Amino acid sequence: DADVTQTPRNRITKTGKRIMLECSQTKGHDRMYWYRQDPGLGLRLIYYSFDVKDINKGEISDGYSVSRQAQAKFSLSLESAIPNQTALYFCATSDQGYTDTQYFGPGTRLTVL
Amino acid sequence: GDSVTQMEGPVTLSEEAFLTINCTYTATGYPSLFWYVQYPGEGLQLLLKATKADDKGSNKGFEATYRKETTSFHLEKGSVQVSDSAVYFCALRHSGYSTLTFGKGTMLLVSP
Repeated sequence: DADVTQTPRNRITKTGKRIMLECSQTKGHDRMYWYRQDPGLGLRLIYYSFDVKDINKGEISDGYSVSRQAQAKFSLSLESAIPNQTALYFCATSDQGYTDTQYFGPGTRLTVL
Repeated sequence: GDSVTQMEGPVTLSEEAFLTINCTYTATGYPSLFWYVQYPGEGLQLLLKATKADDKGSNKGFEATYRKETTSFHLEKGSVQVSDSAVYFCALRHSGYSTLTFGKGTMLLVSP
């Protein structure tokens, strides 16, 4: 089984709908991250969490919210989706130490019509 | 703030050709530097890293040397294969932080 899983893998929704993307990990890592990838823009950090009680905004948090339900679960919500949130979303995890390696999930392709 | 600049792609090569993908960065202090690779339809995975000046990271035939004097971390491979076709991301982690700053990515296409 994959260490970092994301559900759903693909989602098409309409403007104004609420959407939740889920991420689960079995690596036992404390730190989890949400990124979005847009063509020509690379990856940009949306939110990150260093433990269940520690949530931090990233570079582009407007329009998004997150919930860290447990060490292994980190969800990203779009309260009212808009078309420019159409992107590929990645969850990642890393250990608490400074080994620095982030482990990425397979991604969720979200389309907002 | 911190930033990473990569050469624009796509980079198109024939199999067994030499590869260079340029990466330069702007950051204060002494960041750690990384190359991640994204194969089609997959998430990113770490390819190699270097944590201090003059370090050389290497993996799967790829190499990159941390050059503080030129603020660069260019990715090289002596002989590419079709299976190396992917998007390559240069990234940095600022000293004392866990978050990464990514470049925009460079697509590599290798033909037989």
